[in-house]
Amino acid sequence: EPEVTQTPSHQVTQMGQEVILRCVPISNHLYFYWYRQILGQKVEFLVSFYNNEISEKSEIFDDQFSVERPDGSNFTLKIRSTKLEDSAMYFCASELPLGGDIQYFGAGTRLSVL
Amino acid sequence: TQLLEQSPQFLSIQEGENLTVYCNSSSVFSSLQWYRQEPGEGPVLLVTVVTGGEVKKLKRLTFQFGDARKDSSLHITAAQPGDTGLYLCAAHSNSGYALNFGKGTSLLVTP
Repeated sequence: EPEVTQTPSHQVTQMGQEVILRCVPISNHLYFYWYRQILGQKVEFLVSFYNNEISEKSEIFDDQFSVERPDGSNFTLKIRSTKLEDSAMYFCASELPLGGDIQYFGAGTRLSVL
Repeated sequence: TQLLEQSPQFLSIQEGENLTVYCNSSSVFSSLQWYRQEPGEGPVLLVTVVTGGEVKKLKRLTFQFGDARKDSSLHITAAQPGDTGLYLCAAHSNSGYALNFGKGTSLLVTP
């Protein structure tokens, strides 16, 4: 069964460093999303991406964040200068248009900022 | 942002018991989704409810959407240890893209 894959599963970084979280969405999907889940808190929407541009972003998704689809398969989330409070699970999701509004989630990347 | 309140926050029961968890809001939704999340995994969609008063069954799981489309419940019959996990309700934002999640109900079913 097709699935969304995320790498790495765990990323440890120093505060102020740049990190890139990678996602390979399901191949025929066209909508892509990033969410995060801080430990003990709810899953929060960060950004949605369609047709090579951001379609919606939350207040969390400030200038420190960016997304990119550099080729036909990868979808990345970059955090330019990580802060301690960026420590969280980051989930990528993809969706097929007219597919019943079902977002398929990856297993997540655990980001630990020290 | 629509607020989804889930209750209870934690639930620990024995195998074979029945349980109900709730998802409530003051907002009206065109649809509402239930997800299950296991440790170290992303959320997995269980069901989408669309019509007020709708009831959907998925084996031992029964999902109900309130008549006013503001709330939903998930009932599990004869719970099994494999049902252990975090149950999340979610609804699309007004833009239709983002999913807004509740905090979830963490269920533990012990043998």
